[in-house]
Formats: sequence, C-alpha cells, structure tokens
Amino acid sequence: SQQGEEDPQALSIQEGENATMNCSYKTSINNLQWYRQNSGRGLVHLILIRSNEREKHSGRLRVTLDTSKKSSSLLITASRAADTASYFCATDVIQGAQKLVFGQGTRLTINP
Amino acid sequence: KAGVTQTPRYLIKTRGQQVTLSCSPISGHRSVSWYQQTPGQGLQFLFEYFSETQRNKGNFPGRFSGRQFSNSRSEMNVSTLELGDSALYLCASSTGHEFGTEAFFGQGTRLTVV
Repeated sequence: SQQGEEDPQALSIQEGENATMNCSYKTSINNLQWYRQNSGRGLVHLILIRSNEREKHSGRLRVTLDTSKKSSSLLITASRAADTASYFCATDVIQGAQKLVFGQGTRLTINP
Repeated sequence: KAGVTQTPRYLIKTRGQQVTLSCSPISGHRSVSWYQQTPGQGLQFLFEYFSETQRNKGNFPGRFSGRQFSNSRSEMNVSTLELGDSALYLCASSTGHEFGTEAFFGQGTRLTVV
C-alpha cells in the first residue's frame, strides 16, 4: 500500500512559471526524499529532508516539510521544458533499514 | 563516481520461466534495495540487503527472492513468472545508515512476461 498521496496527480504550466507539488503521508518518518522520473526510466534523486528539518533548497528546488501535518511540498522555480517528468515523494519510515514508501507521483508538463 | 548499474536493461520472458536481475551499487554503498514499478500499483518495495543480510522485506510472494554478495552487488530472482510480474524493476543504493540516507537508483530493468 502507498504511504503517501501526491497532489495534484497532473500539473501543466507554462515555461518560466513555478510548479508546486504536494505530498502527504501517514506515519512517522526518518526522512522524506523527492525523485524525478522521465518516461519510465530510472529515478533521479532530487533532495532529502530529514524529519527535524523544515525547509531545504537545492538550485531551483525548494522543499518544505511539516511533520505536524504529515506533509511536504516541492517547489520548482522558473520551470524549463526539461523539467517535464513525473515527481515522486518517498518516505523512509524504518530506523535501521532502508525502505522507501512512495506516493503515486505528480505528472508535470512544462509547455514551451 | 560511477552510478548504480542494473543489468540487463530489458528482458522478455515466458510465463513459468525464472529470471535473475543484477544490480551493482555505488562504490562504498553497502545497502541495496529493490522496487517494482507498475502502472497499477506504482512503486513498491521488494526487499533490502545490507552487508549480505536481508534487513527488510516487502509484501511479495516467495517467488521473489534476492541476495547480496560480499562486494555489495545484489541479484534479484523471480521464479515461475506470471504475466503480472511484467514491470520496471529498480534497485537503489545507499550507505545504509540507520537513520536513512539518500537512495540512488539505477536505470531499471524492464521485464516483460509473455
């Protein structure tokens, strides 16, 4: 079963606009990771945020985490056509083992 | 630093056969975990190995098994293949720290069962 739900399931915006994707989860976590996937290929790691962190930045990416609401958001600023992909959040829920529980993903389309 | 390498990239097998997939993690990483991705079920955890020991297992039938070698390379085996086993199989490599670290994925093996 999926730990998280991502919202929206699909998002279409114009190049240059900002894209925000949300992720909610159900249980306590060690950390939360965001990934990008292009057309059925491998997952590209974007960012990891730990349960004691509230915000992290990496280039055009900004991730927030609200453990009280069990939710996270990924903001991509100044979007580019190359950002078109599916984005997944994954929660790491078990101490002492690496087990990621994924959401269903958000399909992001950047229109030129 | 080389990334995570999965072989083969594509496989076509017949129902009832068995298949072995391979994953070579990033140098120095001791944890390898496996995931199945299908359009219907999404990404689901299969199992994780750390220093040749299975630390955690997902909710898959016993036909799915794995192992890890002393050099951290891992193999996953699926026996008695079913049509529903058609999926993208992804492995992830990490240091395996107990509080979790970044997991880096390979390009996956696309398995088609006919």
